[in-house]
Amino acid sequence: KNEVEQSPQNLTAQEGEFITINCSYSVGISALHWLQQHPGGGIVSLFMLSSGKKKHGRLIATINIQEKHSSLHITASHPRDSAVYICAVSNRRGGADGLTFGKGTHLIIQP
Amino acid sequence: NAGVTQTPKFQVLKTGQSMTLQCAQDMNHNSMYWYRQDPGMGLRLIYYSASEGTTDKGEVPNGYNVSRLNKREFSLRLESAAPSQTSVYFCASSTTGTPNSPLHFGNGTRLTVT
Repeated sequence: KNEVEQSPQNLTAQEGEFITINCSYSVGISALHWLQQHPGGGIVSLFMLSSGKKKHGRLIATINIQEKHSSLHITASHPRDSAVYICAVSNRRGGADGLTFGKGTHLIIQP
Repeated sequence: NAGVTQTPKFQVLKTGQSMTLQCAQDMNHNSMYWYRQDPGMGLRLIYYSASEGTTDKGEVPNGYNVSRLNKREFSLRLESAAPSQTSVYFCASSTTGTPNSPLHFGNGTRLTVT
């Protein structure tokens, strides 16, 4: 089973700061997902990527397949970005049960 | 635009009671999943249905049963609730039966078993 490690576990930053959240995994994958869980509990899919980089608004996700590492960046952070960010990886087998989730990074952006 | 709808949002059960968590999606997705989320742990898969008419066990299936009633609906049943089943439960769906499809989650059910 893939081991997924996220860092940091908790992060508090000031509004406007550039944020980086990291995700490392132990076994080769076919895709990596970044999810956002708001304080109310709902979970939203932000990105799914298998190589390179994706950008959506102020969010950027990158992945390095050789190093088994992905980063999620938030530019010009805002208090509404406060949430838990979860990394999940899919195994090469590609079955519907093949997602392993990290424990999440709890981000707080202070005004 | 409902997406994935889960009911109920909150539930308190006594040990030994039974209940069914309901989940419905209106996105014509083939695959549906039930996860549980516990403090300090990542989401864990309980059961999934890769397509209508099929269900399979995930990582933590003991104490649960599921029914894929039709393409839209996937329910999770606790026959005899135990305190270890206190958790937040999420239903999710995706277009295809591979983990390379983006997941769409419901808002969760917070279950407490006393």
